[in-house]
Amino acid sequence: EAQVTQNPRYLITVTGKKLTVTCSQNMNHEYMSWYRQDPGLGLRQIYYSMNVEVTDKGDVPEGYKVSRKEKRNFPLILESPSPNQTSLYFCASSVFRGPWSEQYFGPGTRLTVT
Amino acid sequence: AQTVTQSQPEMSVQEAETVTLSCTYDTSESDYYLFWYKQPPSRQMILVIRQEAYKQQNATENRFSVNFQKAAKSFSLKISDSQLGDAAMYFCAYRSAEGGSEKLVFGKGTKLTVNP
Repeated sequence: EAQVTQNPRYLITVTGKKLTVTCSQNMNHEYMSWYRQDPGLGLRQIYYSMNVEVTDKGDVPEGYKVSRKEKRNFPLILESPSPNQTSLYFCASSVFRGPWSEQYFGPGTRLTVT
Repeated sequence: AQTVTQSQPEMSVQEAETVTLSCTYDTSESDYYLFWYKQPPSRQMILVIRQEAYKQQNATENRFSVNFQKAAKSFSLKISDSQLGDAAMYFCAYRSAEGGSEKLVFGKGTKLTVNP
């Protein structure tokens, strides 16, 4: 089954404790990205990757890091989480530059930073 | 930068009735794609319908259809014969067709309630 998986689905942590949210897709997609969703703000892109070892900032990259060492994986790293990073996070993937490319979203990760 | 505006934070509709969700966007580009995503309580993002800007014909997917007005930069979603399962957050999104960008720019969402 074609899918994007994220782990963990729920995470409660404390300020300053490094964490990683994993994202994996099994569709051989070149493009992967991370979004955060906040009430009243919709979804905003954090980082994206057009292929292995190619990453770039989205609209709200502060406080986040990413890496793309393998095509299927695109982890989101919060090295020193703060309460304002409490949010719902989505990973998405798609065929890059396809005119009919559709972004497939993961199930979301609910992060709470206290 | 492109922006997407959904002016209705919440809407409600009676089961079996028709409801229209509004979306406007701002862009200087001529070629782009527009989408409506549904987010039920499960939080999964589900693509409902898409529209290519170069196509004049409005997209339709079963009970879902759009009214795309390119000159007015308007992209509304009509849900016909509303069902209880249509209750969800709906997000309008824009994607450029220029420069190979895959980034989706989302509106703030409209929460749809379906009353039995």
